[in-house]
Amino acid sequence: AQSVTQLDSQVPVFEEAPVELRCNYSSSVSVYLFWYVQYPNQGLQLLLKYLSGSTLVKGINGFEAEFNKSQTSFHLRKPSVHISDTAEYFCAVIDSGGSNYKLTFGKGTLLTVNP
Amino acid sequence: DTAVSQTPKYLVTQMGNDKSIKCEQNLGHDTMYWYKQDSKKFLKIMFSYNNKELIINETVPNRFSPKSPDKAHLNLHINSLELGDSAVYFCASSQNSGSGNTIYFGEGSWLTVV
Repeated sequence: AQSVTQLDSQVPVFEEAPVELRCNYSSSVSVYLFWYVQYPNQGLQLLLKYLSGSTLVKGINGFEAEFNKSQTSFHLRKPSVHISDTAEYFCAVIDSGGSNYKLTFGKGTLLTVNP
Repeated sequence: DTAVSQTPKYLVTQMGNDKSIKCEQNLGHDTMYWYKQDSKKFLKIMFSYNNKELIINETVPNRFSPKSPDKAHLNLHINSLELGDSAVYFCASSQNSGSGNTIYFGEGSWLTVV
């Protein structure tokens, strides 16, 4: 079984500042990793995912994440945030060899971008 | 063109009632899901269907019964609603049940049981 820990429940930042949202996972098998974003009163949208290959993954809206196997981390970063980035961000993991698609989500990090 | 659409978006109902939430996807995907998001925003899978066949059932009370009339639809019926059922329910779909596929979520159905 996998688990995901998002170390910060809330991250307030000022507009145009850089941000890092932290995610650590636990698994006894190889995994795929995902970041989803949820804007207020909306569904989840995929930001980016790591399946294999380069450990630096670029996603939509200028976000990127780096897979670090030794530290079992998949932190999300953006060099300069906008007010419109205010949302809840979820890290998720799945067993890469699994035949049934069962995403395990972290508890979310609320990113609040202030003017 | 909404890829994964679910109705109703908001539902307020009394304890003990039976209600349904409908979901349709127009992406041609084989696999559909129901996720529950509780008041603390924690997301957990409830059910998954692949080509109308149940493949994941996550220890959900049997008051919850999913129905998939075809692979584009996955409805959720809830009997004898309880206060603790208040949550946001998300329908989702993916190309198939393989691990690397992106899951596409609907906009959620906010259920409030009073």
